[in-house]
Amino acid sequence: AQKVTQAQTEISVVEKEDVTLDCVYETRDTTYYLFWYKQPPSGELVFLIRRNSFDEQNEISGRYSWNFQKSTSSFNFTITASQVVDSAVYFCALRAGAGSYQLTFGKGTKLSVIP
Amino acid sequence: KAGVTQTPRYLIKTRGQQVTLSCSPISGHRSVSWYQQTPGQGLQFLFEYFSETQRNKGNFPGRFSGRQFSNSRSEMNVSTLELGDSALYLCASSLRSGDTEAFFGQGTRLTVV
Repeated sequence: AQKVTQAQTEISVVEKEDVTLDCVYETRDTTYYLFWYKQPPSGELVFLIRRNSFDEQNEISGRYSWNFQKSTSSFNFTITASQVVDSAVYFCALRAGAGSYQLTFGKGTKLSVIP
Repeated sequence: KAGVTQTPRYLIKTRGQQVTLSCSPISGHRSVSWYQQTPGQGLQFLFEYFSETQRNKGNFPGRFSGRQFSNSRSEMNVSTLELGDSALYLCASSLRSGDTEAFFGQGTRLTVV
């Protein structure tokens, strides 16, 4: 069975602070994919990043960066110099099993960036 | 390129009724998945369709069903609605193999009264 844990339910930061959202996953599959999605108040889930289990390189995209560590089964997401527009609920998700599109989501972390 | 379109956006139904939600995936995408989002349970997988065939089904009662048409559009149906079915229903489309990301629609907000 797959499981994703986002221990932080809500985080508040002041604008321009850095913030890290934690994600821990569980799977017995050796091939799997990890994702981060952003859900603004409008409701749709916006894709941020995908990582496969064979690629542990960290990635940076502008103010966003991701730290994937298989040894600790973690896939953490850092926002540098946060902005008010970053306020949203962020979901970490796991897809495992060949040919399956099923995503297992964490409960989400609600990030509030205060001006 | 149009995104994933879900209709209707909002729906209010009475207990015991049935409801049909529609999802049009991104052009060329052949896989459609449905998710239920509630404050208590979070995002839960309902089912996935690929080339008109249901490939996976989540842990939901038989009142929840779906189908996919030859043009990849999908519908999900919930019969005998219960108050607990009130949720945001999200549809996601994917192109092909399991390493592609899923693109989500804005969802249908279903309220059962």
